[in-house]
Amino acid sequence: DIQMTQSPSSLSASVGDRVTITCRASQGISNSLAWYQQKPGKAPKLLLYAASRLESGVPSRFSGSGSGTDYTLTISSLQPEDFATYYCQQYYSTPQTFGQGTKVEIK
Amino acid sequence: EVQLVESGGGLVQPGRSLRLSCTASGFTFGDYAMSWVRQAPGKGLEWVGFIRSKAYGGTTEYAASVKGRFTISRDDSKSIAYLQMNSLKTEDTAVYYCTRDRSGWYGDLDYWGQGTLVTVSS
Repeated sequence: DIQMTQSPSSLSASVGDRVTITCRASQGISNSLAWYQQKPGKAPKLLLYAASRLESGVPSRFSGSGSGTDYTLTISSLQPEDFATYYCQQYYSTPQTFGQGTKVEIK
Repeated sequence: EVQLVESGGGLVQPGRSLRLSCTASGFTFGDYAMSWVRQAPGKGLEWVGFIRSKAYGGTTEYAASVKGRFTISRDDSKSIAYLQMNSLKTEDTAVYYCTRDRSGWYGDLDYWGQGTLVTVSS
């Protein structure tokens, strides 16, 4: 199974900050990586897929990059509605696996 | 508008069975793989399994933690996906989400239902 390691597990940031979350796969996943945002009590929402493709309707302040085993989610200017937990997911092979999540909290 | 609505959750005793349903609307259901993802209370996301579209044989794959106990099926005529859960364990307690894969094979999960809570307890 491919293990997905996200870092950090949590962070505190202020509105307007640039935030970066990383996800490392235990083996290469050929950009078969998605990022999801989850707010308390709600279902996750897809933000990006294929490592860097923005899902329709998602603000352009969200971006993704990476290749091989290392991937990054960047929020260029954190907004109040962005405080949530973020998960990466590899779909290169089954079982599909998620990172453990990164909780973004208000500083 | 794409909608996924789960139903069938509730309280069930260990060792018993439960079937979840996912009723889809707003898209051609038969063209897409459908997955189930669960989230135990206060924990992260765990992929449960998926069923491919009929174009890819309608085949299924499962997480090791549920293989042999859970079965995913689909009724394309009714736009419903099912998750049959047998021999339930306390560690199966979670919110279960129905999701649509981007393709008929499998992939990222572009739409999610609101989730249904399954509690396994005596």
